[in-house]
Amino acid sequence: EDQVTQSPEALRLQEGESSSLNCSYTVSGLRGLFWYRQDPGKGPEFLFTLYSAGEEKEKERLKATLTKKESFLHITAPKPEDSATYLCAVQAAAAGNKLTFGGGTRVLVKP
Amino acid sequence: DTAVSQTPKYLVTQMGNDKSIKCEQNLGHDTMYWYKQDSKKFLKIMFSYNNKELIINETVPNRFSPKSPDKAHLNLHINSLELGDSAVYFCASSQVGLYGYTFGSGTRLTVV
Repeated sequence: EDQVTQSPEALRLQEGESSSLNCSYTVSGLRGLFWYRQDPGKGPEFLFTLYSAGEEKEKERLKATLTKKESFLHITAPKPEDSATYLCAVQAAAAGNKLTFGGGTRVLVKP
Repeated sequence: DTAVSQTPKYLVTQMGNDKSIKCEQNLGHDTMYWYKQDSKKFLKIMFSYNNKELIINETVPNRFSPKSPDKAHLNLHINSLELGDSAVYFCASSQVGLYGYTFGSGTRLTVV
């Protein structure tokens, strides 16, 4: 069974304090790894898809990387508006379009 | 113009009642989904439809019945509601293939 584990569960940062979120996964034949951002009371918002080990994607202060066992979401010089829950999900080759999600990391950036 | 819209946003109901949640997408996507997010924030797939055809049906009690009248709509009907059904239910859509989902804003269901 596909599994996704995210750590830490929660992260408190000062504005400008860079950090990384971890997403460890076990999946039979990874087709893609997805990162989403979820704000309170809203649906997850798509950030990145990574397809193969070594790949990196960037968007503003966020950078996602992928290895064969895990993905990292690096937040560089975060601002208060980066506060959200960040969700990682995997899509397996044999699972159609199904995404298996981790439990998320709640990030709070204080000014 | 909302891409994936769900109604209602909040639903409070008594045990044993039957309720429905509606979802519509205007993105032209072929595939639609229902996900359940529990109190620990885990999102778990319930159903997936591709162009009105049921593709994924996870281990969900048969009190839950999805219906897709066309590829832009996917509704969820729940019979005999139980306390454990309390959660946030998200509708989502995507193109076939390796594409990210677009989620609706969720329906918070509270069964009392």
